Amino acid sequence: QLQLQESGPGLVKPSETLSLTCTVSGGSISSHSYYWGWIRQPPGKGLEWIGSIYYSGSTYHNASLKSRVTISVDTSKNQFSLRLNSVTAGDTAVYYCARHVVTLRFLEWVLTESYFDNWGQGSLVTVSS
Amino acid sequence: QSLLTQPPSVSGAPGQRVTISCTGSSSNIGANYDVHWYQHLPGTAPKLLIYGDNNRPSGVPDRFSGSKSGASASLAITGLQAEDEADYHCQSYDSSLSDVVFGGGTKLTVV
Repeated sequence: QLQLQESGPGLVKPSETLSLTCTVSGGSISSHSYYWGWIRQPPGKGLEWIGSIYYSGSTYHNASLKSRVTISVDTSKNQFSLRLNSVTAGDTAVYYCARHVVTLRFLEWVLTESYFDNWGQGSLVTVSS
Repeated sequence: QSLLTQPPSVSGAPGQRVTISCTGSSSNIGANYDVHWYQHLPGTAPKLLIYGDNNRPSGVPDRFSGSKSGASASLAITGLQAEDEADYHCQSYDSSLSDVVFGGGTKLTVV
């Protein structure tokens, strides 16, 4: 059974960098069929997609966060990671990692039909001094 | 402000049928992009409930169903049970942002 687990600091200071890692077990992150994504939920708000990565390193990002986000993958550890720099209080949220089912169409991955079929339990990250 | 609009809350009695709406626009649901639904109990991992407008993953009861018309989609739950009390989120794709987008979420209370 596929399981995903987020890990990382629960408290980050303003202007610093938030770093989280997602460890995948019960399946290979090198599967040719899936991307691996990060989603967050600020307190009292809805979910927000941050970005997703393929085992090869190919990425998609939320346009509004792209300039501050780095997503990387380590296939040897079956992990992928998120770095969000220059954080503010507005980045306080529960951060989830998830397996992202993306369609391959005409040799290109397209997000138009994509969805998340397995999620981690989430990691609360608070931005505060 | 989410591009997909959901009612903040809905409620129903055990055994009843409830629906949760997800209203978008011509750049997302109205463009016929797929709509997906998730069930989320706070503190737990969100669970995929419906994918591709109206498909249930293995293990999801047929009490849950999805539909789409124009720029809106709906999740219907029949035979409401106490265990259905949770937050429900819709998700689609938006071509104006080229992003995956979610609704604001709906809290279902079983009264």
